[in-house]
Amino acid sequence: AQSVTQPDIHITVSEGASLELRCNYSYGATPYLFWYVQSPGQGLQLLLKYFSGDTLVQGIKGFEAEFKRSQSSFNLRKPSVHWSDAAEYFCAVGAKDSSYKLIFGSGTRLLVRP
Amino acid sequence: SQTIHQWPATLVQPVGSPLSLECTVEGTSNPNLYWYRQAAGRGLQLLFYSVGIGQISSEVPQNLSASRPQDRQFILSSKKLLLSDSGFYLCAWIPGVGPAYGYTFGSGTRLTVV
Repeated sequence: AQSVTQPDIHITVSEGASLELRCNYSYGATPYLFWYVQSPGQGLQLLLKYFSGDTLVQGIKGFEAEFKRSQSSFNLRKPSVHWSDAAEYFCAVGAKDSSYKLIFGSGTRLLVRP
Repeated sequence: SQTIHQWPATLVQPVGSPLSLECTVEGTSNPNLYWYRQAAGRGLQLLFYSVGIGQISSEVPQNLSASRPQDRQFILSSKKLLLSDSGFYLCAWIPGVGPAYGYTFGSGTRLTVV
């Protein structure tokens, strides 16, 4: 069964500083990998996804993520954080069988200091 | 265009009352459909998924059930709500051939059981 671990419950960074959110997954093969963002009281917005190929993927809002097979990781990064980036971030793993079920990590809440 | 509708947006129900949440998708055929729940301050838990009409898979034993009476309709139900059923319920879909374009989520239903 697939699973996702986001080890950081909360992260606080200063505006303009760089950001890295950690994500580790467990799956029998290379799964589909996603990062979603959720603003307070809102639904989910897809930031980026990885299916295959280039292990560094670019997403919206200046985010990128790097897939590392040897570490079973898919960490999210941003070089310079803006106050509007404060939100909850979820890493998710999609199964490669016909269910394509998507399993989420527990999330990391990002706080941005002015 | 493809859209997903969820209703109602908010719901306050007494303990022991029934529940019916509906999700419909437009602009596609034979989608995979998913129900998630997000408890307060928690991650997203996959409750049910469906790969076709009448096909329901349950991920977590609970007080809820799901049905798919039509190709693009997914219903989440309960005969008697518990306090622990409170949460934010999200419906999602992907084309049946896979998540190439990511999973699309509805705007959610915030359920409070009192």
